[in-house]
Amino acid sequence: KNEVEQSPQNLTAQEGEFITINCSYSVGISALHWLQQHPGGGIVSLFMLSSGKKKHGRLIATINIQEKHSSLHITASHPRDSAVYICAAPNYGGSQGNLIFGKGTKLSVKP
Amino acid sequence: DAGVTQSPTHLIKTRGQHVTLRCSPISGHKSVSWYQQVLGQGPQFIFQYYEKEERGRGNFPDRFSARQFPNYSSELNVNALLLGDSALYLCASSLAVGGDYGYTFGSGTRLTVV
Repeated sequence: KNEVEQSPQNLTAQEGEFITINCSYSVGISALHWLQQHPGGGIVSLFMLSSGKKKHGRLIATINIQEKHSSLHITASHPRDSAVYICAAPNYGGSQGNLIFGKGTKLSVKP
Repeated sequence: DAGVTQSPTHLIKTRGQHVTLRCSPISGHKSVSWYQQVLGQGPQFIFQYYEKEERGRGNFPDRFSARQFPNYSSELNVNALLLGDSALYLCASSLAVGGDYGYTFGSGTRLTVV
């Protein structure tokens, strides 16, 4: 069973700051998912990546398959980035479905 | 392209009642997964369907059931509702089964049991 750990659990930043959220997992995988959830809202898939780096606007996701570690970076953070960010790794067995979710990082960006 | 659509968006039910939630996947996606998310916690896997067959079931009681239709849309049914069933129910679609596929989530159905 894959264990997915995220850090930090909570993060408060000032507008404009560079944000980093970390995710580590225990079982080798071929792809990792980064998701975003605004308060009371549904989940939006930000990235699915299997190697290297992906960039979308101010969001950058990196993954090191050998070290079983991924990071999500937000450049020039803005209050609208305030949300819960979740990483999810494939589950290759068990009764938990195809994705194992981290507990999420609650980001609050202050103006 | 329409995303994953879920209906209804909000629902209030009384204990003991039955509820049906609906999900339409992205066109071309043949797999639908259902998740329950209680306030302040991460999503918990309930069911996955692929090509109208159940491909996975989480640790939920038999009061929870689901099915997938020939057009790949899906229904989640919950009988004998309990207060603890109050949650956001999320549907996600993917091309096929497996965590190596991209998942697209719907906006969820907020169920409140009173």
